[in-house]
Amino acid sequence: EVQLEESGGGLVQPGGSLRLSCAASGFTLSHYAMYWVRQAPGRGLEYVSAIGSNGGGTFYANSVKGRFTISRDSSKNTLYLQMGSLRPEDMALYFCARKSTIAAVPYFDSWGQGTLVTVSS
Amino acid sequence: DIQMTQSPSSVSASVGDRVTITCRASQDISNWLAWYQQKPGKAPKLLIYGASSLQTGVPSRFSGSGSGTDFTLTVSSLQPEDFATYYCQQANSFPLTFGQGTRLEIK
Repeated sequence: EVQLEESGGGLVQPGGSLRLSCAASGFTLSHYAMYWVRQAPGRGLEYVSAIGSNGGGTFYANSVKGRFTISRDSSKNTLYLQMGSLRPEDMALYFCARKSTIAAVPYFDSWGQGTLVTVSS
Repeated sequence: DIQMTQSPSSVSASVGDRVTITCRASQDISNWLAWYQQKPGKAPKLLIYGASSLQTGVPSRFSGSGSGTDFTLTVSSLQPEDFATYYCQQANSFPLTFGQGTRLEIK
């Protein structure tokens, strides 16, 4: 069974840093493009970042470019999002999501339950 | 960035009703569109991809149509478990963008 489990969220002050993790099971993480998508409280879904499969490139929304870094550790089958210079508008539930192989374009067929990031002084 | 606009923002309906939700893209996205269902406190679930293809395991009462800039999601006969928020997502180009959501409520 495919499972994704996020962790690492919490309360951080503006300007602070946090590293989110997404542990995958039931499949080999490096074989898939993986994404981070966030949802501010009571709001819609927002694409944050992506990493290609098998050494593919990394991509970021303009709102996080230069502050966030996506990476993965194949030995741990885990995806990461290193977040820095955090702002109040980064406060959200962060989901990791797997790109489906049913198409060449990114649709997401598996999601974690999310980890909450709160940015407040 | 491609803007995705859903309508209505919310809709009330009864079990057994037929409901249609619309999603409009700010530019031509061919058929690179997905629909997701999200229930409170849960992750989104992929329902439709490629504008009209049903994801494995999704009931056939869900259907999608459209191409270019105008798309629809239809639930042919609402079941109690269908009351949720629905999002469209364009996969034509980065940055990927989602509609603002349509909340489907019980009348």
